[in-house]
Amino acid sequence: GAGVSQSPRYKVAKRGQDVALRCDPISGHVSLFWYQQALGQGPEFLTYFQNEAQLDKSGLPSDRFFAERPEGSVSTLKIQRTQQEDSAVYLCASSLLVAGRDTEAFFGQGTRLTVV
Amino acid sequence: AQSVTQLDSHVSVSEGTPVLLRCNYSSSYSPSLFWYVQHPNKGLQLLLKYTSAATLVKGINGFEAEFKKSETSFHLTKPSAHMSDAAEYFCVVSDISGYSTLTFGKGTMLLVSP
Repeated sequence: GAGVSQSPRYKVAKRGQDVALRCDPISGHVSLFWYQQALGQGPEFLTYFQNEAQLDKSGLPSDRFFAERPEGSVSTLKIQRTQQEDSAVYLCASSLLVAGRDTEAFFGQGTRLTVV
Repeated sequence: AQSVTQLDSHVSVSEGTPVLLRCNYSSSYSPSLFWYVQHPNKGLQLLLKYTSAATLVKGINGFEAEFKKSETSFHLTKPSAHMSDAAEYFCVVSDISGYSTLTFGKGTMLLVSP
């Protein structure tokens, strides 16, 4: 596709339910990032993939959060036993290069998760 | 470690007047800096980026920003605001020493009145 696509756009989950959020990056992009944006805040880094390898998961807030990118393209962020504090917009971004000054990240529109 | 401070949570201007959104950064390395804009229910869009070339960077929609190392600032400006500029703006620093992970400021909401 032309851009980064995320689905679903909106998700309402009951507390304790498991959810899965999908990200389709731009074709051929090596790097993929997940960010969490709480209401009224800037996005915060969750995890980074280089192709299928998860190289940094230092931002994941708890062991209830799990991400994968098994074939180096589509990625899924899974949250187990959701809690109210997980309510946020989850943003996915991809970039063509691994790192460097000219690396530009392209963002999807995000998935707004509301835990009730 | 790197961080970004956006000095104003909200800025209000009248249409046709100048815009100034302030940003200060902290970085252990010579940073790459960005401004992103987020319209309601839209994805983050890159306005402009500084990557150690010219210190005055021009972006889309008439926005520009000046990198001032001595002041550790990267303020965003526009000579004349348009109603369509109303949105949230994020100043961002990139960790080019690692995987180019982005560190965002808390954002500045720009309000434009007729």
